[in-house]
Amino acid sequence: GENVEQHPSTLSVQEGDSAVIKCTYSDSASNYFPWYKQELGKGPQLIIDIRSNVGEKKDQRIAVTLNKTAKHFSLHITETQPEDSAVYFCAASSHNAGNMLTFGGGTRLMVKP
Amino acid sequence: NAGVTQTPKFRILKIGQSMTLQCAQDMNHNYMYWYRQDPGMGLKLIYYSVGAGITDKGEVPNGYNVSRSTTEDFPLRLELAAPSQTSVYFCASSKIRGAFSPLHFGNGTRLTVT
Repeated sequence: GENVEQHPSTLSVQEGDSAVIKCTYSDSASNYFPWYKQELGKGPQLIIDIRSNVGEKKDQRIAVTLNKTAKHFSLHITETQPEDSAVYFCAASSHNAGNMLTFGGGTRLMVKP
Repeated sequence: NAGVTQTPKFRILKIGQSMTLQCAQDMNHNYMYWYRQDPGMGLKLIYYSVGAGITDKGEVPNGYNVSRSTTEDFPLRLELAAPSQTSVYFCASSKIRGAFSPLHFGNGTRLTVT
């Protein structure tokens, strides 16, 4: 089945710096890659997603890039703010797995003011 | 607009006890899911349902049971609690299955088995 690995597990940045979180996946048939943000005491919430026919997608300060050949995708957050501090999860979906999402292990992002 | 509601928020069980984690959604979603979240391990799918009366196993179903008698409710049952079931449990729903359809999560139930 699909295997998604996420790095780093923790990331600390200064406010205003950029943060990058990377994920690799194993199933070349995966075609949908969402990113979720989990704030303390809350459930994960979708922040951005990308489909396999697109190489990059942006939404204000966040962007996701996808390299299908290398089977990896990344989340980029620019001009980080303290409210960006949270746990971020990547995920991948493949029709080989019934279109169910397989999640990465999560990255705890800390933005220091 | 409540979304996905989970109860209780916290629970401590003794080994061998049973309990039911409640989940309800008010978005008229057909698909509902139960995940468990262990530190550094991401979210693992326990069970899912594609509609009332239909359930199926996910990646880690052992020790759990589910039912789906209505579109709104999807309870998760632990029959004989074990320390390995200590985790945070999340219920989620979606309009369609998986791809291209965002999951809407509840705020979780933190369960400790001692």
